Amino acid sequence: RKEVEQDPGPFNVPEGATVAFNCTYSNSASQSFFWYRQDCRKEPKLLMSVYSSGNEDGRFTAQLNRASQYISLLIRDSKLSDSATYLCVVRVPSGSARQLTFGSGTQLTVLP
Amino acid sequence: DAGVIQSPRHEVTEMGQEVTLRCKPISGHDYLFWYRQTMMRGLELLIYFNNNVPIDDSGMPEDRFSAKMPNASFSTLKIQPSEPRDSAVYFCASRPGSGRDTQYFGPGTRLTVL
Repeated sequence: RKEVEQDPGPFNVPEGATVAFNCTYSNSASQSFFWYRQDCRKEPKLLMSVYSSGNEDGRFTAQLNRASQYISLLIRDSKLSDSATYLCVVRVPSGSARQLTFGSGTQLTVLP
Repeated sequence: DAGVIQSPRHEVTEMGQEVTLRCKPISGHDYLFWYRQTMMRGLELLIYFNNNVPIDDSGMPEDRFSAKMPNASFSTLKIQPSEPRDSAVYFCASRPGSGRDTQYFGPGTRLTVL
């Protein structure tokens, strides 16, 4: 089982739609959680951190369910510029062999 | 502020040749990471340094790969000899020593081995 699993998509949605991405992680001791965004042929960039209480940044809402080891990202009123690949990222406990583990990404295309 | 700088941005080489990728982290960042990204395997951590010291190189695929960080502002990833299966985008990332875990990525080097 992969450490971080995401639905690869692609998700094709019309402008203005609401879209949700899900992610599961295997290590119950994971400590930090993020969503990164990667545009085509560009580097990954931090979109937002994910906190236990859930957090919102404009049209973006991230949720964490530690019991189910599940992370979600909700995008409301999607824009053409939201088209990208969204990477779910988990930090495993310190002392392990990895710092951040990246999911394989979910591809989103917002259509006019 | 300048972000993470990588060079070259594109590299095309022939099988068997030596390839050297370069990275300049963000000034003041204590951690430096080398990743490889392919369609098949996604983003994989190859090696990371803390204060110029290699901490974990278990992601380095084989002995053909080596990485160095001679000082706080420069790191190299070398492949010798290169093989077609090494074709990928190689990213360098850095982060501060304390505080958030956020890593800042460079623009990547797109390597093609013919």
